[in-house]
Amino acid sequence: LAKTTQPISMDSYEGQEVNITCSHNNIATNDYITWYQQFPSQGPRFIIQGYKTKVTNEVASLFIPADRKSSTLSLPRVSLSDTAVYYCLVGVYSGGYQKVTFGTGTKLQVIP
Amino acid sequence: DVKVTQSSRYLVKRTGEKVFLECVQDMDHENMFWYRQDPGLGLRLIYFSYDVKMKEKGDIPEGYSVSREKKERFSLILESASTNQTSMYLCASSLSPGIEQYFGPGTRLTVT
Repeated sequence: LAKTTQPISMDSYEGQEVNITCSHNNIATNDYITWYQQFPSQGPRFIIQGYKTKVTNEVASLFIPADRKSSTLSLPRVSLSDTAVYYCLVGVYSGGYQKVTFGTGTKLQVIP
Repeated sequence: DVKVTQSSRYLVKRTGEKVFLECVQDMDHENMFWYRQDPGLGLRLIYFSYDVKMKEKGDIPEGYSVSREKKERFSLILESASTNQTSMYLCASSLSPGIEQYFGPGTRLTVT
């Protein structure tokens, strides 16, 4: 399984764009990249998933360079409610039962 | 709406007790997971199940067992609880391990 590395914590002011980068140097050809968000006292919640280039949804964008050894989650104009832990994980998108692994995540603190 | 429920939000048990944590999902998902979450260690996979009566060890299965007799229910069993099993336990389900997992609210277990 590809191991991921993320910054332990980040601070950002309200209204700014936040970019959280994840490193996954040994990503396999058929691995997808997925990001989750977790608020205190809750289970993680899926944000976005991608394979290459760029993916955008109503919550975030995910940028994946051609070599796929890293990815960047971009949160536009963060608010205080975006304060959470963000996890990057890499796993196989298939009907098989290979498991994915969560890392320690990045704790984002949004400051007023 | 997707729903994963866990039998208890908080549980206090004594060392040596047998502990059952139950998880139920209403989405007809094939795959179910048990994680534990500890400060500084992120989420770690204990066991997962890709079908009824099928199970696969995760990263930290020692001291735990699981049971999946029905598709919607996945139980985590601590055969003889120990203080180092004090943790937050999170259950999740998904159509496939590599794609979006839906998490329950978690059970905070304290073993004294």
